[in-house]
Amino acid sequence: NAGVTQTPKFRVLKTGQSMTLLCAQDMNHEYMYWYRQDPGMGLRLIHYSVGEGTTAKGEVPDGYNVSRLKKQNFLLGLESAAPSQTSVYFCASSYRGGMAQYFGPGTRLTVL
Amino acid sequence: DQQVKQNSPSLSVQEGRISILNCDYTNSMFDYFLWYKKYPAEGPTFLISISSIKDKNEDGRFTVFLNKSAKHLSLHIVPSQPGDSAVYFCAASDRSGGSNYKLTFGKGTLLTVNP
Repeated sequence: NAGVTQTPKFRVLKTGQSMTLLCAQDMNHEYMYWYRQDPGMGLRLIHYSVGEGTTAKGEVPDGYNVSRLKKQNFLLGLESAAPSQTSVYFCASSYRGGMAQYFGPGTRLTVL
Repeated sequence: DQQVKQNSPSLSVQEGRISILNCDYTNSMFDYFLWYKKYPAEGPTFLISISSIKDKNEDGRFTVFLNKSAKHLSLHIVPSQPGDSAVYFCAASDRSGGSNYKLTFGKGTLLTVNP
């Protein structure tokens, strides 16, 4: 039982490049989330999903897209990376909304 | 508008003593509260939670207290151990409302337990 896993762990991009972050969970959770963590800002919700095939915007969605084609996977895409997207990205999942969320180990992204 | 506030960015305690981490909230609709612990280069780990129908929940060395009238909760760690040194996040949710999908996080408190 791996819980929540994230790929890759580290990535360096140049401005304008694109990439996809992959999140996978094996807990059969309905809800999945993408957060970013920046110094002094805590955890900010980017996008979330309440079930397979659904996605919705969180607090800071601009510049990101997501897809949830399978229940266990939640993808976060950056179409044209900007230095402001340099951050640590965390994926999380939960059985129901508003309940305990279980986090992955994070992806550290640097955009030059 | 910060709905969940952790006013102490850092806290230092001696091993074996009690650590008390505090959290205040402004949204009276919040009815479920959680604490997470985060080590460097790792994801946050769920520690303990409390529903608004309770005022205390205990799990081993960790106890969370909720004071609804003051909109305040605290996490007590007794006795503190060096391995408890981490950033602690407080989070809250409104499970009855339209935004019941989300947790609102505080900015965290760095706890350092000195041997």
